[in-house]
Amino acid sequence: AQTVTQSQPEMSVQEAETVTLSCTYDTSESDYYLFWYKQPPSRQMILVIRQEAYKQQNATENRFSVNFQKAAKSFSLKISDSQLGDAAMYFCASFPSGTYKYIFGTGTRLKVLA
Amino acid sequence: DARVTQTPRHKVTEMGQEVTMRCQPILGHNTVFWYRQTMMQGLELLAYFRNRAPLDDSGMPKDRFSAEMPDATLATLKIQPSEPRDSAVYFCASGLVPSGRPPTDTQYFGPGTRLTVL
Repeated sequence: AQTVTQSQPEMSVQEAETVTLSCTYDTSESDYYLFWYKQPPSRQMILVIRQEAYKQQNATENRFSVNFQKAAKSFSLKISDSQLGDAAMYFCASFPSGTYKYIFGTGTRLKVLA
Repeated sequence: DARVTQTPRHKVTEMGQEVTMRCQPILGHNTVFWYRQTMMQGLELLAYFRNRAPLDDSGMPKDRFSAEMPDATLATLKIQPSEPRDSAVYFCASGLVPSGRPPTDTQYFGPGTRLTVL
C-alpha cells in the first residue's frame, strides 16, 4: 500500500524564523508527484508547492521550499521568514502518475508565535 | 480568479434527512473529486469523475451515498438517509486531464461543506 507519513502532529515557530515540516512517503511507482497543501482555519485547501519526482531540482515558491530526497523517499517543507498567516494545518500528499488518487498524510499543525 | 465553489458552506440536519451538496468545478476542468475529511480518518476520497463519467466511487458507502454530474458545471453528492457518523467536511476538487493521458496536474479544492447530522 502506498502511504504518506507526517510524523510531527504539531510544530511551533517564532515569527520571522524558519521551520521545516517532515514528510516521508512510500510508493512503488517510478513516476509521481508530491505536494504540500495548507489548510488554514477557513478549511480551504491551498496548494503550497508541487514537486515532480523526475526533477532533481527542489521546488521553490517564494518563502516555501522543499528538500526532496528521492532515494530516502523524503519530502520536507521549509518555511522561511515565518509569518502569522502561515499558521495552519499542512498536508503532504503523493500522486502516483497514471492514477488519480492523492494519498494524503495526517497533517502537521503549525503554530506561529508572535 | 477561477475557483471551485461549493454550496452550502454549512449544513445542519437531523438524522434520516436527505442532504445534497453541490460543487461547481473550475470552468474547463474535466475531472471532479469528492473528499470527506474527519479528525479520525483524515482526507478520504469518495468519488472521482472524468469528463462527467464516474470512474471510481469505491470510497463511498453505496447504500446511502450517491454522486452525479448532471452537466460539466455541476457535481452533486447526496446522502439519503443521513446519519450522525456522516458529520464531516466534504470537499470537492477539480482538475484538468488532457485527453487520453493520465492525470498529472494539481487538484484545486473548493472551500468545503461542513455537515453536521444530529
